[in-house]
Amino acid sequence: GESVGLHLPTLSVQEGDNSIINCAYSNSASDYFIWYKQESGKGPQFIIDIRSNMDKRQGQRVTVLLNKTVKHLSLQIAATQPGDSAVYFCAVYSGAGSYQLTFGKGTKLSVIP
Amino acid sequence: SQTIHQWPATLVQPVGSPLSLECTVEGTSNPNLYWYRQAAGRGLQLLFYSVGIGQISSEVPQNLSASRPQDRQFILSSKKLLLSDSGFYLCAWSATDYEQYFGPGTRLTVT
Repeated sequence: GESVGLHLPTLSVQEGDNSIINCAYSNSASDYFIWYKQESGKGPQFIIDIRSNMDKRQGQRVTVLLNKTVKHLSLQIAATQPGDSAVYFCAVYSGAGSYQLTFGKGTKLSVIP
Repeated sequence: SQTIHQWPATLVQPVGSPLSLECTVEGTSNPNLYWYRQAAGRGLQLLFYSVGIGQISSEVPQNLSASRPQDRQFILSSKKLLLSDSGFYLCAWSATDYEQYFGPGTRLTVT
């Protein structure tokens, strides 16, 4: 089965700096990856996704990088703001039809004003 | 646009009591529906998923059950709650095998 590992459970960054949150997965057949943001007491919010035929995808202030060779995924947040403080999860699909997203344990991002 | 609702938002129940959590989705037809549980400081654990009315797949054997009586309604139930059932329960929907969108969650405390 798939396992999704966490590089850092917590991350503190200064407001205005860039944040990088990392994730590793185990299944080389994994073909779709999602980053979610979860604020305290709320459900996870979809941020950005990437398919295995891509190695980079950009959104508004966020970039996801996928390195299939080492099975590594990262989320970069530019010019981090206090509103970015939350727990960030990566989630991995192990293949079409599986219906099951495997989630990492999450990285808690704290933004220092 | 699509919205997903869960209720209640919080619930405190004694051990051995029954449970019923409800999830409804608006603005889409025939969604895939999911129930997850999140323990404090942990990732999300998939409990059940459904690809259609009356079709339920269980990922983790336990004293919980799920039902889908209508296309956009998903219910999580238990006949007798255990202390270990405490947690944050999240419902999610997807239109395909891919993006899943989550509801606001129900905080369940079993005492």
